[in-house]
Amino acid sequence: EVQLVESGGGLVKPGGSLRLSCAASGFTFSSYTVIWVRQAPGKGLEWVSSISSSSSYIYYADSVKGRFTISRDNAKNSLFLQMNSLRAEDTAVYYCARELDTMTAFDYWGQGTLVTVSS
Amino acid sequence: QSVLTQPPSASGTPGQRVTISCSGSSSNIGSNTVNWYQQLPGTAPKLLIYRNNQRPSGVPDRFSGSKSGTSASLAISGLQSEDEADYYCATWDDSLNGWVFGGGTKLTVL
Repeated sequence: EVQLVESGGGLVKPGGSLRLSCAASGFTFSSYTVIWVRQAPGKGLEWVSSISSSSSYIYYADSVKGRFTISRDNAKNSLFLQMNSLRAEDTAVYYCARELDTMTAFDYWGQGTLVTVSS
Repeated sequence: QSVLTQPPSASGTPGQRVTISCSGSSSNIGSNTVNWYQQLPGTAPKLLIYRNNQRPSGVPDRFSGSKSGTSASLAISGLQSEDEADYYCATWDDSLNGWVFGGGTKLTVL
């Protein structure tokens, strides 16, 4: 069974940093592009970042470029999101998801982890 | 303001057919395939339709998708109470070099 489990969320002050993790199981993690999507409270979905299977291709939304860094460890079946210079508007549930095939769709999602940026 | 435009709400009675529209531009829907996600209250999104009109295994054939030019639509026939959820369209945008989502449509089953 494919599973994605996020962790690392919490309360952080503006300007602070947080590192999210996503543990994958039930599939060959190293063969898939994985992504982060976030959802602010009561708002819609916003794509944050994508990383290809071998980390050759990395993309970021303009809203997080220069502040967030996506990475992965295929040996540990793990995806990460290092978030620096956090702002109030980064407050959201952060989901990791798997890309079904190159540039197709996100077929499996984690349950999400809440990040709250507040003083 | 989302790159893809969806109506904020839609509604129907049990058994009815409802459609949800998604409007974009030449750099997104016009150039790439469209996906639809269903998000039930308090849960993670679930892939409903991919590549414009393909259903993942387990998704009932009551759900169908289509695309024409720079617009796409999701149709739900034989509406059921459990279909009450938020629905999002999404696609890749060649100009932004990233994924874009619609603002979401809240479907109410009356």
